[in-house]
Amino acid sequence: DQQVKQNSPSLSVQEGRISILNCDYTNSMFDYFLWYKKYPAEGPTFLISISSIKDKNEDGRFTVFLNKSAKHLSLHIVPSQPGDSAVYFCAARNAGNMLTFGGGTRLMVKP
Amino acid sequence: DTAVSQTPKYLVTQMGNDKSIKCEQNLGHDTMYWYKQDSKKFLKIMFSYNNKELIINETVPNRFSPKSPDKAHLNLHINSLELGDSAVYFCASSLIGTGLNEQFFGPGTRLTVL
Repeated sequence: DQQVKQNSPSLSVQEGRISILNCDYTNSMFDYFLWYKKYPAEGPTFLISISSIKDKNEDGRFTVFLNKSAKHLSLHIVPSQPGDSAVYFCAARNAGNMLTFGGGTRLMVKP
Repeated sequence: DTAVSQTPKYLVTQMGNDKSIKCEQNLGHDTMYWYKQDSKKFLKIMFSYNNKELIINETVPNRFSPKSPDKAHLNLHINSLELGDSAVYFCASSLIGTGLNEQFFGPGTRLTVL
């Protein structure tokens, strides 16, 4: 039973355009959400996060939006750059500080 | 200047063997974790550990056991290895209570059981 889902396994975007990665969750007890970026043969790297009491958090080119009523969050990258090409994981934290990850979305930014 | 390191990076072994994967963090964090990334690329939490509490994901077989000699280390011991244990194992760490919340991951250990 997947509590965190990323329904798009891959996304292809032109350089300079916006990339939108989506994530849905089912557990209303999650209190914190995070996005991680992963390159091949490396561990996931923290990108940006948002508390469940907020609906938006912005850090440079990265913005995360949270819609609690829809149990949906999204990561916007603008403008997208070729170096952003990686697998992006959405993660949700429960009270035990353990993260539940989505299945990942492979982003390809074409020059 | 590695923050979270794991050894070995690759581990190939026979079914039935016992093996260990080491993890060290130099971030001064108080909580460490082990995750398993299976063939479908899902990252699943196995353990969360600090000096007060071990939280175990109930789906993890008891052949898997974390051992922490000190706050900077959390090693993963696996007994009687099975084919299904083949995966990439990631160690992570975080500092609870600072409000930062993010976990820092090691580079992963690819375990292959033959």
